[in-house]
Amino acid sequence: GNSVTQMEGPVTLSEEAFLTINCTYTATGYPSLFWYVQYPGEGLQLLLKATKADDKGSNKGFEATYRKETTSFHLEKGSVQVSDSAVYFCALIGGSNYKLTFGKGTLLTVNP
Amino acid sequence: DAGVIQSPRHEVTEMGQEVTLRCKPISGHNSLFWYRQTMMRGLELLIYFNNNVPIDDSGMPEDRFSAKMPNASFSTLKIQPSEPRDSAVYFCASSPGRAQTEAFFGQGTRLTVV
Repeated sequence: GNSVTQMEGPVTLSEEAFLTINCTYTATGYPSLFWYVQYPGEGLQLLLKATKADDKGSNKGFEATYRKETTSFHLEKGSVQVSDSAVYFCALIGGSNYKLTFGKGTLLTVNP
Repeated sequence: DAGVIQSPRHEVTEMGQEVTLRCKPISGHNSLFWYRQTMMRGLELLIYFNNNVPIDDSGMPEDRFSAKMPNASFSTLKIQPSEPRDSAVYFCASSPGRAQTEAFFGQGTRLTVV
């Protein structure tokens, strides 16, 4: 079945530091890949997505590239801000499966 | 658009009581999902509706849980009787198509069963 593995947190960074959150997946066929963000006390919001190999999703300074050869979709940001503090979820939809399969989430805390 | 609206935001109830969670999806979206989030199990899909019809309820943990979608603008998730292990944040999400792409989540209902 489909599965998503993302790096365990928590991740604590200083403002303006470089961020990487690793995500790898297992899926049949050619899945679509997503990063969702959950700010404290809120629901999940779509951050970015990529639907085919080598696509790069980007939004709000975050980027992730769909790497089929390594089955990865790592999230990166060059300079994090305090307001980026949140839980980040990697997710996929694979093949004919309509279900979003989520990773366990990574808590990011950015200190001033 | 106001987004997906869930009520209540917080619910505290005693073990054995009935709990009903409510969701109003985004207008025009024809897919609706109920998720449960806990520290131990992360995000779990409980049930999925398409055009108001339950398509997959394999994630519903047991018979104490039931969900309905009487029309395109309203859904409920009911737990009866509630147990302390049901304590979690319950999210409703909707999406415009059959495939669960770009799901839009509500702010969730934090349920505490004491």
